[in-house]
Amino acid sequence: DAGVIQSPRHEVTEMGQEVTLRCKPISGHNSLFWYRQTMMRGLELLIYFNNNVPIDDSGMPEDRFSAKMPNASFSTLKIQPSEPRDSAVYFCASSSDRAVDQPQHFGDGTRLSIL
Amino acid sequence: AQSVTQLDSQVPVFEEAPVELRCNYSSSVSVYLFWYVQYPNQGLQLLLKYLSGSTLVKGINGFEAEFNKSQTSFHLRKPSVHISDTAEYFCAVSDRGSARQLTFGSGTQLTVLP
Repeated sequence: DAGVIQSPRHEVTEMGQEVTLRCKPISGHNSLFWYRQTMMRGLELLIYFNNNVPIDDSGMPEDRFSAKMPNASFSTLKIQPSEPRDSAVYFCASSSDRAVDQPQHFGDGTRLSIL
Repeated sequence: AQSVTQLDSQVPVFEEAPVELRCNYSSSVSVYLFWYVQYPNQGLQLLLKYLSGSTLVKGINGFEAEFNKSQTSFHLRKPSVHISDTAEYFCAVSDRGSARQLTFGSGTQLTVLP
């Protein structure tokens, strides 16, 4: 089975540029999560979609961050404009809520460096 | 709301020694409990989960964890570690009524020394 696929794996860009991170969840999963991981703050949930609808975006840091899920097989996380403090590893995870005990499956992450 | 506390940020241990990684949680409702492992430059992988039933749960790679409701703990153990177990370990909890969202602990870096 293909797992959660994230692209790109690494992104280095200059401050002020727009950054778009992409995620393809596991086929058949209907919940999708975006996380950010840093040394200082650990693993933070940014936003959670269920059936393509954003359910909880309370973790999104500020208006510079936006996330979309146009269909069940694709999601994007966009940062515009980017700042050095956005440097982190961003993870996407998916799960199925057909059974409440289904764990989340994580992608390998996108390592983002803002110069 | 739930919270998870991992009491040790770093645990060094010699190869073939036993190890215990501690996890305590706080919740006003019944929960599911999980341990995930993160190897360098990879995402998180599920090690084991406690849903109900036996309080001793066995996972992959020889790890096990014991749910203790009275102490609100879910400690992870392995009787004999290998160099390849060097990784970061995360304890997580979810509300049984809304199991989609996980609350993670801050992680424990396990380093196995030769």
